[in-house]
Amino acid sequence: EVQLVESGGRVVKPGGSLRVSCGAAGFTFNTFGMNWVRQAPGKGLEWVASISSDSKYIYLSDSVKGRFTISRDNAKNSLYLQMSSLRAEDTALYYCARERGLGEIDYWGQGTLVTVSS
Amino acid sequence: IQLTQSPSTLSASVGERVTITCRASQSLSTWVAWYQQKPGKAPQLLIYKASSLENGVSSRFSGSGSGTEFTLTISSLQPDDFATYYCQQYNSHLYSFGPGTKLELK
Repeated sequence: EVQLVESGGRVVKPGGSLRVSCGAAGFTFNTFGMNWVRQAPGKGLEWVASISSDSKYIYLSDSVKGRFTISRDNAKNSLYLQMSSLRAEDTALYYCARERGLGEIDYWGQGTLVTVSS
Repeated sequence: IQLTQSPSTLSASVGERVTITCRASQSLSTWVAWYQQKPGKAPQLLIYKASSLENGVSSRFSGSGSGTEFTLTISSLQPDDFATYYCQQYNSHLYSFGPGTKLELK
């Protein structure tokens, strides 16, 4: 059974930094691209970042480029999102999501909540 | 790539046939997926590549379209279908989602 478990979300002050993680199980992690998708409270889905299976290709949305980085450790079956210069508008539930191969997302975690507030 | 969805809210009854439209700011070929999200839950993939039904998803769901206009149709609404629906494009490496359509019980 595919499992994606996010962790690391917490309250952080504006301008601060935070790294959230996602542990994967139940599939061959190093053969799938991965994504972070966020959802602000009461709002829609926003794609944040993607990384290819071998970390060769990385893409970031314009709203986070220059502030966030995505990375993975295939030996640890883990995905990361390093966030810096955090703003109030980054407050959201951050989902870790598996990409099946062409871009559609077939598995999602339950999310980790990041709150940016003073 | 910008996506719009219409309507933003749809009120319907059990048994009705409903259609949700997703329009793109540029051609997507057929690189569009549809997701269902229920309150407090992660999204679930329904349709990929515009019209391919995800394994395990009811055949009451169908997708169509190409280029800049896509539709998700639910043939006969069931109580479990009342949720929010999102389209997603993956024609560009910079993915994006539509704003969502909330399907409500009339």
